[in-house]
Amino acid sequence: IAGITQAPTSQILAAGRRMTLRCTQDMRHNAMYWYRQDLGLGLRLIHYSNTAGTTGKGEVPDGYSVSRANTDDFPLTLASAVPSQTSVYFCASSATANQPQHFGDGTRLSIL
Amino acid sequence: GQNIDQPTEMTATEGAIVQINCTYQTSGFNGLFWYQQHAGEAPTFLSYNVLDGLEEKGRFSSFLSRSKGYSYLLLKELQMKDSASYLCAVEDSNYQLIWGAGTKLIIKP
Repeated sequence: IAGITQAPTSQILAAGRRMTLRCTQDMRHNAMYWYRQDLGLGLRLIHYSNTAGTTGKGEVPDGYSVSRANTDDFPLTLASAVPSQTSVYFCASSATANQPQHFGDGTRLSIL
Repeated sequence: GQNIDQPTEMTATEGAIVQINCTYQTSGFNGLFWYQQHAGEAPTFLSYNVLDGLEEKGRFSSFLSRSKGYSYLLLKELQMKDSASYLCAVEDSNYQLIWGAGTKLIIKP
């Protein structure tokens, strides 16, 4: 079934550790996005990529990095995790930047 | 600044009609999306408005007034499975989505 796969589903991580959240889509979408969702707040864009080989910063990029080596994969890395990065992380993709976004099931990350 | 406002929570009765409002102030406007998100799940796309007016899709309709910075999602013949959060998102001048915090809709029998 076509869609977006995120891994891991959930993770508990010690502060200061490095962590990479994986995201893979098989819809050949050009654009991909990483959001965090916190209680009482809207989805906030961390980083995005409009096409393979390019990335851009969203609203809350500090402490996160991404890469887009190919169309399908868009990993998000926390270089040195801090408790304020505890959140639910969603990866999304769209055919182009102005098309509906399709979301993965999310990664629930707790930083202790 | 950029701002999307939605009511935090609404309650409605099964079989009834409910309207969820969204007002926005953003740097540019290229369209407005509505998404549904059940608790613990991912958001799923409901509708997209670019031009003023009403877009109807089954039991769900979405309205847009660009001059007023206003949209609403209308849900008819409410079913228990419609209990979810409804997210309004505006596409800004850079085609990035600015999201509201969502409206939690509770359906009572």
